[in-house]
Amino acid sequence: EPEVTQTPSHQVTQMGQEVILRCVPISNHLYFYWYRQILGQKVEFLVSFYNNEISEKSEIFDDQFSVERPDGSNFTLKIRSTKLEDSAMYFCASQQEMNTEAFFGQGTRLTVV
Amino acid sequence: QKEVEQDPGPLSVPEGAIVSLNCTYSNSAFQYFMWYRQYSRKGPELLMYTYSSGNKEDGRFTAQVDKSSKYISLFIRDSQPSDSATYLCAMSEPGNQFYFGTGTSLTVIP
Repeated sequence: EPEVTQTPSHQVTQMGQEVILRCVPISNHLYFYWYRQILGQKVEFLVSFYNNEISEKSEIFDDQFSVERPDGSNFTLKIRSTKLEDSAMYFCASQQEMNTEAFFGQGTRLTVV
Repeated sequence: QKEVEQDPGPLSVPEGAIVSLNCTYSNSAFQYFMWYRQYSRKGPELLMYTYSSGNKEDGRFTAQVDKSSKYISLFIRDSQPSDSATYLCAMSEPGNQFYFGTGTSLTVIP
């Protein structure tokens, strides 16, 4: 069964370093998302992406964050200068069409030290 | 206000019991409703997806949406120890992001 895959599963980085989280959405899907979940808290929306551009972003998604679809398969989230409070699980999700089921990856656990 | 409220539990039931999980919301524009299951430190796994009001059944799972009361439910029949997980509700307006509840932690005791 097609699935959303994310790499790495766990990333430890020093404060101030740049990290890139990678996602391969389901192949025929057109809408892509990044969410995060701080330990013990709600899953929070970061950004949505369609047709090679951001369609919506939250207050969390400030200038330190960027997304890119560098080729036909990968979808990346870059955090330019990580902060301690960026430590969280980051989930990628994709949808085939707007307003249909959204499928999530297994997440990348980011630990900023 | 687009808050989604969900009782975090924990909820503990004996094997074979019927489980009822619920969420309430305040935004009447929500039309798409989802239930996800999440095991510890894993990604949300989609269980049920419904549009607008009504019921949807899939095996042991039944999702109900009551838009007039802004209330959604997930019922699990004949619960199994493997159903032990955190259950997340999520909902969205057309064309918008999903808003998640905090999740309800469920333990099914053999």
